[in-house]
Amino acid sequence: KNEVEQSPQNLTAQEGEFITINCSYSVGISALHWLQQHPGGGIVSLFMLSSGKKKHGRLIATINIQEKHSSLHITASHPRDSAVYICAVFQGAQKLVFGQGTRLTINP
Amino acid sequence: EAQVTQNPRYLITVTGKKLTVTCSQNMNHEYMSWYRQDPGLGLRQIYYSMNVEVTDKGDVPEGYKVSRKEKRNFPLILESPSPNQTSLYFCASSQRKKDVSYNSPLHFGNGTRLTVT
Repeated sequence: KNEVEQSPQNLTAQEGEFITINCSYSVGISALHWLQQHPGGGIVSLFMLSSGKKKHGRLIATINIQEKHSSLHITASHPRDSAVYICAVFQGAQKLVFGQGTRLTINP
Repeated sequence: EAQVTQNPRYLITVTGKKLTVTCSQNMNHEYMSWYRQDPGLGLRQIYYSMNVEVTDKGDVPEGYKVSRKEKRNFPLILESPSPNQTSLYFCASSQRKKDVSYNSPLHFGNGTRLTVT
């Protein structure tokens, strides 16, 4: 079993829909990152969380430390949100462990 | 502009021919790290560095070397590349705050697609 599990692995939705991607982890962490990778490969950091909730534009990220679970929400989804979303956790100060990623496709 | 620069973007080489992938950041970050990304396996950490002359192994260090002689540069060295090192490689950096490197966003380079034949 992977230390970081994401669900779903693939998600297809229509433009405007509310999107939720989930991340569960089985190890103690110091921080959790949500990353976005567009076709073509570049990786962008969306959020870094150690507790609570963060919002940036149409994106919202939450984390529940006790339940070892985080969610990434996208409101009013748009085709340009189509990408792979990756959850990554820092164990201690150095080791970064990644989830397998969620491939999101938003159709117009 | 704050950035992490990797070179080259694409590299095709033959088994056994030593190569270096460069990584440079202009944000004065202390933490730097290398990852490889493979279909079905996702991203995995190769090596990381907490500061100049301080490096350590990640999950998949076999066949790789790194050095950190200056804060801005963190090259990845493949002394004898093999076909199983064909992959997409990323370098990333992060700032240390109050001796806690993990409380800062990660900045990634654009990636290096390596093919070893």
